[in-house]
Amino acid sequence: DGGITQSPKYLFRKEGQNVTLSCEQNLNHDAMYWYRQDPGQGLRLIYYSQIVNDFQKGDIAEGYSVSREKKESFPLTVTSAQKNPTAFYLCASSQGFTVNTEAFFGQGTRLTVV
Amino acid sequence: QKEVEQNSGPLSVPEGAIASLNCTYSDRVSQSFFWYRQYSGKSPELIMSIYSNGDKEDGRFTAQLNKASQYVSLLIRDSQPSDSATYLCAVNILTGGGNKLTFGTGTQLKVEL
Repeated sequence: DGGITQSPKYLFRKEGQNVTLSCEQNLNHDAMYWYRQDPGQGLRLIYYSQIVNDFQKGDIAEGYSVSREKKESFPLTVTSAQKNPTAFYLCASSQGFTVNTEAFFGQGTRLTVV
Repeated sequence: QKEVEQNSGPLSVPEGAIASLNCTYSDRVSQSFFWYRQYSGKSPELIMSIYSNGDKEDGRFTAQLNKASQYVSLLIRDSQPSDSATYLCAVNILTGGGNKLTFGTGTQLKVEL
């Protein structure tokens, strides 16, 4: 089945630890995105990537890092510098290289820092 | 000014009525527009996309775009209880780094029996 897979679905980490969220897609999409959603809030863009080995900061990149070594993978690391990391993290992908492309989401990872 | 603005609601409509959801955006170079539906605890799912001025219909859904007024809306006809969800407006801008897809905060819709 084609789609976007995020793992794990739930993640618990101690304060001060780095944690990496996985996002894999087999849709052959060029563009990939990471968003953060807090309760009752919309989606805020963390990072986005159009092609392999290139990515751009979104609106709330501080405390996060990404890599794009393969077209199908776009992992997000939540570092200890992120002051309030507990949130719902969503990964999306789209064909890219033209604006008239629709983005599709994975099932999300719910991160809780204890 | 936020890049994409929506009324947070909740918007309550009776079953069978038309629900009207609105969205404004600030960047005039915005080029494509999307509506997503998000049920509580789930990820957003795409329900409509629109790229040019005017109306676009798909079943019970109609998206309307007015680039001069920087306004996009979603109409849901014959609203059903299963339409109760948060509706997110998204705007795509082509930047030097690629497509930047920005979302509004969402409007919560409640369809009452």
